[in-house]
Amino acid sequence: NAGVTQTPKFRVLKTGQSMTLLCAQDMNHEYMYWYRQDPGMGLRLIHYSVGEGTTAKGEVPDGYNVSRLKKQNFLLGLESAAPSQTSVYFCASRPTGVGGYTFGSGTRLTVV
Amino acid sequence: TQLLEQSPQFLSIQEGENLTVYCNSSSVFSSLQWYRQEPGEGPVLLVTVVTGGEVKKLKRLTFQFGDARKDSSLHITAAQPGDTGLYLCAGVGGPGGGNKLTFGTGTQLKVEL
Repeated sequence: NAGVTQTPKFRVLKTGQSMTLLCAQDMNHEYMYWYRQDPGMGLRLIHYSVGEGTTAKGEVPDGYNVSRLKKQNFLLGLESAAPSQTSVYFCASRPTGVGGYTFGSGTRLTVV
Repeated sequence: TQLLEQSPQFLSIQEGENLTVYCNSSSVFSSLQWYRQEPGEGPVLLVTVVTGGEVKKLKRLTFQFGDARKDSSLHITAAQPGDTGLYLCAGVGGPGGGNKLTFGTGTQLKVEL
């Protein structure tokens, strides 16, 4: 089925370790987004991309980096993980124009 | 500062009851979307409302966009256990501009038999 696929689904990191979250979409969407979801905080935008080779900062970008080398993939990197980055991370994509977002099923990250 | 406030935050009701969830903001949005999220999954789009005063119906769900495009409501008639989930409103084209979504704080709904 077409959609947004996130890997991994779960991960536990030690403070200071690095990792990359992968998001892949097969709907030829131009726009892609990374959000984090925390209790009582809702979904907050980390970084986003309006097309291949472009990235931009969202609401909470500190401690994260992203890359969009291919249109279908959007990578989220944590260079030095901190406990404050414990969260559920969601990737989403949407086509150009007015349209809803398609979300992946999330990555649950715990930093100890 | 949360641009979109939802109320109530939590709602637990019996099957067959009606309910309304509110999404309020001091900012104007070009359109507003409603999503439902189930445990362990990402949000799934329910509807997009674009015009001030617009009303859309999706089976037992009725969505309304305020005349000033600052608020919205979701009304569920005769709730069923399958309606259980986290309901999120999201504004498009708010103060940050562009087509980025600004999500509300969410309403956790539980419908019991």
